[in-house]
Amino acid sequence: AQKVTQAQTEISVVEKEDVTLDCVYETRDTTYYLFWYKQPPSGELVFLIRRNSFDEQNEISGRYSWNFQKSTSSFNFTITASQVVDSAVYFCALIPLDSNYQLIWGAGTKLIIKP
Amino acid sequence: EAGVAQSPRYKIIEKRQSVAFWCNPISGHATLYWYQQILGQGPKLLIQFQNNGVVDDSQLPKDRFSAERLKGVDSTLKIQPAKLEDSAVYLCASSHRGTSGQETQYFGPGTRLLVL
Repeated sequence: AQKVTQAQTEISVVEKEDVTLDCVYETRDTTYYLFWYKQPPSGELVFLIRRNSFDEQNEISGRYSWNFQKSTSSFNFTITASQVVDSAVYFCALIPLDSNYQLIWGAGTKLIIKP
Repeated sequence: EAGVAQSPRYKIIEKRQSVAFWCNPISGHATLYWYQQILGQGPKLLIQFQNNGVVDDSQLPKDRFSAERLKGVDSTLKIQPAKLEDSAVYLCASSHRGTSGQETQYFGPGTRLLVL
């Protein structure tokens, strides 16, 4: 099976707290790509990061960081010192190599940052 | 660089009416996707184009939905006749495959459709 699981339906934290969004994936392919997208209340899906299966380096971009672990098939996303503007639905997605480059989406995690 | 453009941004119609959505992808992007996103769910792929050819339309309800990308650039998605369950956001995305085979989809702002 090829699928993405985001077990956290909704997370609510107070501003300035750190928060981690979990993503677990399943694929039979050895080459694949993982993505995170942000969907704020305005509705547009905003690309955050792409990670290749052969590159397990973690990535940091400002307050955002991503932890990719092939051993546990996880690609978790951490926001440090959260801000109200981080409130959105976050989607994790997978493109297996042999898929016409179609995204397999997780169900999304709604993140609420309270002031 | 301009992003993916979509119009209209909002549309309200009555059931059994027809409606059309337009998408202009990022310049140079060969692949174009149409998605349907119902409130509270993830996007569902309706159709994928590579230039002006259809790669996959297996999830497009062809009895009422149609899409075209005649010149391999912009695209239209039509619903005729609309049903109440078509109320959703219709997202367009485009992508370009790099030399290493990597590809990222970039999305437009979407069209929110309400069918009454």
